[in-house]
Amino acid sequence: GAGVSQSPSNKVTEKGKDVELRCDPISGHTALYWYRQSLGQGLEFLIYFQGNSAPDKSGLPSDRFSAERTGGSVSTLTIQRTQQEDSAVYLCASSLPRTDTQYFGPGTRLTVL
Amino acid sequence: QKEVEQDPGPLSVPEGAIVSLNCTYSNSAFQYFMWYRQYSRKGPELLMYTYSSGNKEDGRFTAQVDKSSKYISLFIRDSQPSDSATYLCAMGSLIQGAQKLVFGQGTRLTINP
Repeated sequence: GAGVSQSPSNKVTEKGKDVELRCDPISGHTALYWYRQSLGQGLEFLIYFQGNSAPDKSGLPSDRFSAERTGGSVSTLTIQRTQQEDSAVYLCASSLPRTDTQYFGPGTRLTVL
Repeated sequence: QKEVEQDPGPLSVPEGAIVSLNCTYSNSAFQYFMWYRQYSRKGPELLMYTYSSGNKEDGRFTAQVDKSSKYISLFIRDSQPSDSATYLCAMGSLIQGAQKLVFGQGTRLTINP
């Protein structure tokens, strides 16, 4: 079956603009995670969804970052008033609940000029 | 001090060599230990995971965990050029139904034919 998909694959934006990043998890996966990977850095946890609710938003770096999930499926990560330090690869992963394996999408490479 | 430390490399070895990749961690609450492989411009994929101290073997790959020393390793035998990738260690806990992973920085590995 299809894996986790993310769109767009690349996004270049100007400082101060808002961006929306989309994640389509594997069908049936109720858990969804967002991570950020900056150049030369490991993955940084941003937010976790179980169904449509987000019990753990502890990794969101500022109030410019928000995420939602609808219908227990697609999730959107929104970054408002983008800054150059937001440039990174944003990765989404999904899993069955209370299981070990997170399946990652290919990521969205965000560049803020 | 980071919760998980991993030498970023880069590491370059000839084909057929044994590769050793290592991570240390500081949080004794971690319940499971994983290795992910990430090819360029792709999302990470789970390679190995284990819950307990000791060795776990899967083909050419062996994962080793020493909880008393807070140290994990990944060994690759008979390394192949196709093993060239970034290897990320990850330590996890199950919190509120979520798999909370903390990643190392990643080690970039190149296997030279």
